[in-house]
Amino acid sequence: EPEVTQTPSHQVTQMGQEVILRCVPISNHLYFYWYRQILGQKVEFLVSFYNNEISEKSEIFDDQFSVERPDGSNFTLKIRSTKLEDSAMYFCASSAGGSYNEQFFGPGTRLTVL
Amino acid sequence: GEDVEQSLFLSVREGDSSVINCTYTDSSSTYLYWYKQEPGAGLQLLTYIFSNMDMKQDQRLTVLLNKKDKHLSLRIADTQTGDSAIYFCAESTAGGSYIPTFGRGTSLIVHP
Repeated sequence: EPEVTQTPSHQVTQMGQEVILRCVPISNHLYFYWYRQILGQKVEFLVSFYNNEISEKSEIFDDQFSVERPDGSNFTLKIRSTKLEDSAMYFCASSAGGSYNEQFFGPGTRLTVL
Repeated sequence: GEDVEQSLFLSVREGDSSVINCTYTDSSSTYLYWYKQEPGAGLQLLTYIFSNMDMKQDQRLTVLLNKKDKHLSLRIADTQTGDSAIYFCAESTAGGSYIPTFGRGTSLIVHP
């Protein structure tokens, strides 16, 4: 069964460093998403991506964040200068679209900023 | 903005029914979802209900929707240890491109 994969499973970085989180969505999906969950808090939407551009983004997704689909299979989230409060689990998801928009989630990358 | 609230923990005995509750604020919600997250895995859509329905049943799962009270519940009959997971309630609207707004998740612990 096709699934969304994410690498790495855990990333530890120093404050101020750049990180790139990687995702491989399901191959025939057209819509791609990043969410994050700070420990003990809600799963929060960051950004959606369709047709090689951002379709929606939340207030969280500021200039420190960027997304890219560099090669038609990977979907990446870059944080330019990490802050302590960026520590969270980051989930990638993809969907084929449609009315109820079932999204398929990856297992997440736990980002720890020291 | 939209808000989704659910209790954080539920503990049940194997074989009993589990009921996980959720409340939401957006009266224009179109779809309401239950996602399941097992340890080390991503969120998996378990079931969803369209806002013009009040009940949906799928094998051991029953979803009840009370639109007046903006209350959603998930009942799992004959709960098994394999049902132990985190269950996320979510809602979406057409105006929000069907991007779900999630709650914190309810950890369901099933003990023998």
